[in-house]
Amino acid sequence: RKEVEQDPGPFNVPEGATVAFNCTYSNSASQSFFWYRQDCRKEPKLLMSVYSSGNEDGRFTAQLNRASQYISLLIRDSKLSDSATYLCVVNNGLHGNTGKLIFGQGTTLQVKP
Amino acid sequence: DVKVTQSSRYLVKRTGEKVFLECVQDMDHENMFWYRQDPGLGLRLIYFSYDVKMKEKGDIPEGYSVSREKKERFSLILESASTNQTSMYLCASSSPQLATLTDTQYFGPGTRLTVL
Repeated sequence: RKEVEQDPGPFNVPEGATVAFNCTYSNSASQSFFWYRQDCRKEPKLLMSVYSSGNEDGRFTAQLNRASQYISLLIRDSKLSDSATYLCVVNNGLHGNTGKLIFGQGTTLQVKP
Repeated sequence: DVKVTQSSRYLVKRTGEKVFLECVQDMDHENMFWYRQDPGLGLRLIYFSYDVKMKEKGDIPEGYSVSREKKERFSLILESASTNQTSMYLCASSSPQLATLTDTQYFGPGTRLTVL
């Protein structure tokens, strides 16, 4: 079983739609959680951290459910520019301060006009 | 603004050649990482380093070695390139945050290596 699992998609949605991605992680000791965004042929970049209380950044909302070991990302009012691959990322806390992260395979989003 | 640079965007090598991929970061970060990214497999960690001259194996270190002689530079070495090492190679750096045990990883633009 992979440590971080995501549905690879693709998710094809029209502009203006709301779309949600889920991600599950296997290590209950995981301590930090993130969503990264990767555009086609580009490097991954941090989109947002995920906090236990949930957090929002504009049209993006991230949620963490520790009991069920899943993380979600909600995108409201989708824009064409949101088309990208979204990577679920977890720090399992096993490597102290080395900053080692575990990346999911990614979920591809295509927003259509 | 953090900048991570990689020596080449595209590289073509022949089987058996020794290949060096260089990564430089300008933010004085302690941690540096090398990943490869393949379709359907996502990002896989090859090696990482949390200090000068320190290195740790990641999930797929076989066929690779690394060197970190200076804080800002982390090199990935393919001693004898093979066709199954054709991939996108991404370097990243980060600085540890004591409160969270981790920090944002900043990635370089990647090197697409083809081994013929």
